[in-house]
Amino acid sequence: NAGVTQTPKFRVLKTGQSMTLLCAQDMNHEYMYWYRQDPGMGLRLIHYSVGEGTTAKGEVPDGYNVSRLKKQNFLLGLESAAPSQTSVYFCASSYSLAGGKRETQYFGPGTRLLVL
Amino acid sequence: LAKTTQPISMDSYEGQEVNITCSHNNIATNDYITWYQQFPSQGPRFIIQGYKTKVTNEVASLFIPADRKSSTLSLPRVSLSDTAVYYCLVGDEGGANNLFFGTGTRLTVIP
Repeated sequence: NAGVTQTPKFRVLKTGQSMTLLCAQDMNHEYMYWYRQDPGMGLRLIHYSVGEGTTAKGEVPDGYNVSRLKKQNFLLGLESAAPSQTSVYFCASSYSLAGGKRETQYFGPGTRLLVL
Repeated sequence: LAKTTQPISMDSYEGQEVNITCSHNNIATNDYITWYQQFPSQGPRFIIQGYKTKVTNEVASLFIPADRKSSTLSLPRVSLSDTAVYYCLVGDEGGANNLFFGTGTRLTVIP
């Protein structure tokens, strides 16, 4: 049981390049999330998914796209990377929200992205 | 939106009790309050969750007043390994699934 895994762990991009970050979970969770973390900013939600085939915008969605074609995978895409997207990206997953009690999120180890 | 406010940093000596307070004035009726801990170069991990009054587990206690507009995470007898950033999390007012982490509180435990 690996929990939540993220690939790659580290990546350097040039401005304008594209890439996809992969998140995978083996806990059969319905919900999946992508966050970015910048110094002094805490974690900010980029996009999330409440189930296979569905996605929704979070707090800072601009410049990113996501897809949830399979329940266990959640992809984050950068079509044209910008230096402002230099950050650490965390993926998380959780069971469905039930009765108002927000289920615990399980986080991956993070992907460090540097855009030059 | 149910944003949260926490102190940016706190220092404590080993063996002391540490209390970190989070303000969440716009918490929704059905929302729970969740606290996470994050060590450097790692993703956050769950510490404790509660709705009202007091919740205790093997790691911490969570105190929530009746108006639920704030909460206090209490760490008993901290050790050096408790040095981390602590986040308070609540859902937003609209009842959607957006999740807003606070700015986090950087706790430094001093020997």
